Amino acid sequence: DGGITQSPKYLFRKEGQNVTLSCEQNLNHDAMYWYRQDPGQGLRLIYYSQIVNDFQKGDIAEGYSVSREKKESFPLTVTSAQKNPTAFYLCASSNLANSYNEQFFGPGTRLTVL
Amino acid sequence: GQQLNQSPQSMFIQEGEDVSMNCTSSSIFNTWLWYKQDPGEGPVLLIALYKAGELTSNGRLTAQFGITRKDSFLNISASIPSDVGIYFCAGQLSGANSKLTFGKGITLSVRP
Repeated sequence: DGGITQSPKYLFRKEGQNVTLSCEQNLNHDAMYWYRQDPGQGLRLIYYSQIVNDFQKGDIAEGYSVSREKKESFPLTVTSAQKNPTAFYLCASSNLANSYNEQFFGPGTRLTVL
Repeated sequence: GQQLNQSPQSMFIQEGEDVSMNCTSSSIFNTWLWYKQDPGEGPVLLIALYKAGELTSNGRLTAQFGITRKDSFLNISASIPSDVGIYFCAGQLSGANSKLTFGKGITLSVRP
């Protein structure tokens, strides 16, 4: 089945530790995105990538890092510099071949910092 | 950053009722998208709109791309309990470099 997978579904980390969230897609989409969701805040863009080996900061990139070594994969690292990392993280992808940018989302990873 | 306005934050309706929600902005958008998110899951795309004035249906859902290109509307007819969730609007600005702008969402509750 084609789609976007995120793992793990739930993640716990101790303060001061880095943690990497996985995002994989088999839709052959060019672009991939990471969002953070907090209650009542909607979706806020962390990073996005339109092509392999290139990515751009979104609105809240501080304390996060990404890589795009393969078209299918866009992992997000939450570093110890992120002051308030507990949140629901969503990965999305879109096909840039059309100009409509319909983004399709994965199931999300809930990160809790203990 | 750019904002899309969705209000109220929550809506409560009776099963079988119709409900309308809108999304407004001070900027012009080229594309409007409506998503639904179930608790603990990722948003699912419901309807995509590409042209000003366009009216599109998906089952009991109907959405319209406002003629001014600054707003969009979503209507749900004959609501059922599984319509419960958060409804987000999203839009793409001209030259937005593939980024979408999201509203904060409306939480819909349906009373049986």
